[in-house]
Amino acid sequence: QKEVEQDPGPLSVPEGAIVSLNCTYSNSAFQYFMWYRQYSRKGPELLMYTYSSGNKEDGRFTAQVDKSSKYISLFIRDSQPSDSATYLCAGRAAGNKLTFGGGTRVLVKP
Amino acid sequence: DSGVTQTPKHLITATGQRVTLRCSPRSGDLSVYWYQQSLDQGLQFLIQYYNGEERAKGNILERFSAQQFPDLHSELNLSSLELGDSALYFCASSVEGTSPTVQYFGPGTRLTVT
Repeated sequence: QKEVEQDPGPLSVPEGAIVSLNCTYSNSAFQYFMWYRQYSRKGPELLMYTYSSGNKEDGRFTAQVDKSSKYISLFIRDSQPSDSATYLCAGRAAGNKLTFGGGTRVLVKP
Repeated sequence: DSGVTQTPKHLITATGQRVTLRCSPRSGDLSVYWYQQSLDQGLQFLIQYYNGEERAKGNILERFSAQQFPDLHSELNLSSLELGDSALYFCASSVEGTSPTVQYFGPGTRLTVT
């Protein structure tokens, strides 16, 4: 079993809809959780990070962590075609090693 | 543009060969990380260097090695290549002292082994 699991998708939504992305993890040592966005043939770019449980909001993006159920979520409000990409969640224990999920491909249709 | 550069963008080589991938970190970043991204394994951490010294090791094969030079650029050497080594190889860099340490990824090198 992988330490971080993600549904590969694709997740197809109409423009303006809310995109809901989820990951589960098994490593209780994870302290930080990151969401990266990766466009086709590009490197991942950091969207948001959260520490411990709770919510964090940044513009149209909201990240949630529930450590009791080992569940992390990313919500994208008012989705745009430019949000079409693969979204990777990652956990980080002590040190800087990131453990990534397999990524969820998102398609936002105009 | 993250500020991390990687060369070459694409590399096609044959099984059994050896290749070198190069990474230049963002200005001021002392840490360099190497990742491999394949369809079946996803994005996997290989190794981290900090200011020329190896700091952390992940799922890096013995056929692979890396180093970081005094000017902070890094090279990933892949030898005795196999078909399964075909993947995207990413370099990331970070500055220490922030919490958490944010890793900035380069555009990657696409390696095809035939």
